[in-house]
Amino acid sequence: EVQLVESGGGLVQPGRSLRLSCTTSGFTFGDYAMSWFRQAPGKGLEWVGFIRSKAFGGTTEYAASVQGRFTISRDDSKSIAYLQMNSLKTEDTAVYYCTRDTGWIPDHWGQGTLVTVSS
Amino acid sequence: EIVMTQSPATLSVSPGERATLSCRASQSVSGNLAWYQQKPGQAPRLLIYGASTRATGIPARFSGSGSGTEFTLTISSLQSEDFAVYYCQQYNNWPRAFGQGTKVEIK
Repeated sequence: EVQLVESGGGLVQPGRSLRLSCTTSGFTFGDYAMSWFRQAPGKGLEWVGFIRSKAFGGTTEYAASVQGRFTISRDDSKSIAYLQMNSLKTEDTAVYYCTRDTGWIPDHWGQGTLVTVSS
Repeated sequence: EIVMTQSPATLSVSPGERATLSCRASQSVSGNLAWYQQKPGQAPRLLIYGASTRATGIPARFSGSGSGTEFTLTISSLQSEDFAVYYCQQYNNWPRAFGQGTKVEIK
């Protein structure tokens, strides 16, 4: 069974950093691209970023709203994807989801982790 | 940047009735369109990809159609578990983009 579990969320002050982890099981992690999405309280879904598998260069794409502040990485040996978030703003407050992507399609989602940016 | 627009924002439907949800892209996304269902407190669930292909385990009452800029999700006979928010998402271009969602509520 494919499983994705996000962790690392919590309360953080504006301007600080936080790293989220997406621990996976049930599939060969290195064969898949991964994405991060977020959902602010009471709002819709927003794409955050994407990382290709190593077979496709392991390169990344980001939403303009996080470009230069957030970094996605992966550790294929541990089957974990990361979202490093720097210079956090209050508008980054959201539930953050990681997904496994088959092709370009996020076909499995984690349950999410809440990040609250507040002083 | 592609903008996705869903209509209506809210759809009131009685159990057993058909629901038709629309999604429009500001430019062509070919057939690279997915639909998701989200219930309160839960993660989204993939329903449809490639505009019309049901994801694994999705009941046949869910169907998708369209290409280019106009897409439709149809739920043929609403069950109690289908009342939720539905999102369309294009994956043809970067950045990925979602519609704002359609809430399907009990009439």
